[in-house]
Amino acid sequence: KNEVEQSPQNLTAQEGEFITINCSYSVGISALHWLQQHPGGGIVSLFMLSSGKKKHGRLIATINIQEKHSSLHITASHPRDSAVYICAVGDYGGSQGNLIFGKGTKLSVKP
Amino acid sequence: DAGVIQSPRHEVTEMGQEVTLRCKPISGHNSLFWYRQTMMRGLELLIYFNNNVPIDDSGMPEDRFSAKMPNASFSTLKIQPSEPRDSAVYFCASSQSPGLAGLGETQYFGPGTRLLVL
Repeated sequence: KNEVEQSPQNLTAQEGEFITINCSYSVGISALHWLQQHPGGGIVSLFMLSSGKKKHGRLIATINIQEKHSSLHITASHPRDSAVYICAVGDYGGSQGNLIFGKGTKLSVKP
Repeated sequence: DAGVIQSPRHEVTEMGQEVTLRCKPISGHNSLFWYRQTMMRGLELLIYFNNNVPIDDSGMPEDRFSAKMPNASFSTLKIQPSEPRDSAVYFCASSQSPGLAGLGETQYFGPGTRLLVL
């Protein structure tokens, strides 16, 4: 079974700072998702990637398949970025639809 | 589109009662996922449907849990009998195309149902 580890667990930043959240997994995957869960509980899918890098606004996600590692970067962070960021991987070895989730990184951006 | 719709948004019930959670996926999406989120275990995939057919229910915790998808626009997750340890937030998500999450199709999440079993 794939083990998904996220770091850090908690992160506090000042507005404007560059933020990096990391995700490592133990078994080769077909794709990796980054999700954002707002303080109210709603979940939004930010990125799905299987190689390289994707960018959307101030968010950048990268993945290194060989190293089994992905990073989520937030440039010019803002208090509205405060949320829990969750990494999830699609497991080659698992059944179709089997997503394994990390525990999440709780980000708090102070004004 | 209204997005994925879940009902009820909150449910409080007593141990032993039957609980039914409902989900309406985004129109045109052919895959539907039920997730459970707790503080201890985080997000867990319970069951996944593709074209209304259950594909993977290995995440369903035990026989007290059952899920159905009678048509493309509606699914239910039922817990009978409910227990306090079932208290969690239950999310429904849907996706388009082959819906093989392992191949990375973007999933759209509903707002969740917060369940409390006393």
